[in-house]
Amino acid sequence: GAVVSQHPSWVICKSGTSVKIECRSLDFQATTMFWYRQFPKQSLMLMATSNEGSKATYEQGVEKDKFLINHASLTLSTLTVTSAHPEDSSFYICSAGGESTEAFFGQGTRLTVV
Amino acid sequence: GQSLEQPSEVTAVEGAIVQINCTYQTSGFYGLSWYQQHDGGAPTFLSYNALDGLEETGRFSSFLSRSDSYGYLLLQELQMKDSASYFCAVDPGGFKTIFGAGTRLFVKA
Repeated sequence: GAVVSQHPSWVICKSGTSVKIECRSLDFQATTMFWYRQFPKQSLMLMATSNEGSKATYEQGVEKDKFLINHASLTLSTLTVTSAHPEDSSFYICSAGGESTEAFFGQGTRLTVV
Repeated sequence: GQSLEQPSEVTAVEGAIVQINCTYQTSGFYGLSWYQQHDGGAPTFLSYNALDGLEETGRFSSFLSRSDSYGYLLLQELQMKDSASYFCAVDPGGFKTIFGAGTRLFVKA
């Protein structure tokens, strides 16, 4: 299957700082990427849909000014958590859409805000 | 709106067969997927059903009934390594994936 690389795999940051997470499709072009958040023992909740060259589409309840998404190329989307707070600590996962029906996931990023 | 229902947890013994059910209600539907996720890891794709019927892949099989908005994942010859969370997910179109809450499977010796 296709490979999606997410970086970093884990990050610890201080409250009030910003953190950028990268999602790259390594062997295919992804016109659409998705960002999910997963709290412990819960499901993956879709945060936003990232389209190359255009503004992201955010799900209801997700603050677009707090979770900045940029999809500047067909192989890279970034999620920036701005002014992070402890309640933002979570597992963030990206996925990329290709030609098949399978969603290809990155390895995930575990964010801890202290 | 979108909603998917699946049991929160299931326990079975090694070598047994277990079935995890999923019912869904979504505004769009192209297919039903199943993903496996071990603690601390990312979801990994198991199967996708677009049409009614049973799809078999090794020890795992997945079934879909579109008329009933229902599907299930069948795991045979359970192994300890199968202990994980299993998510059903709907493809509503546009490569988007909407996940159910997940079923934690505990496999006992």
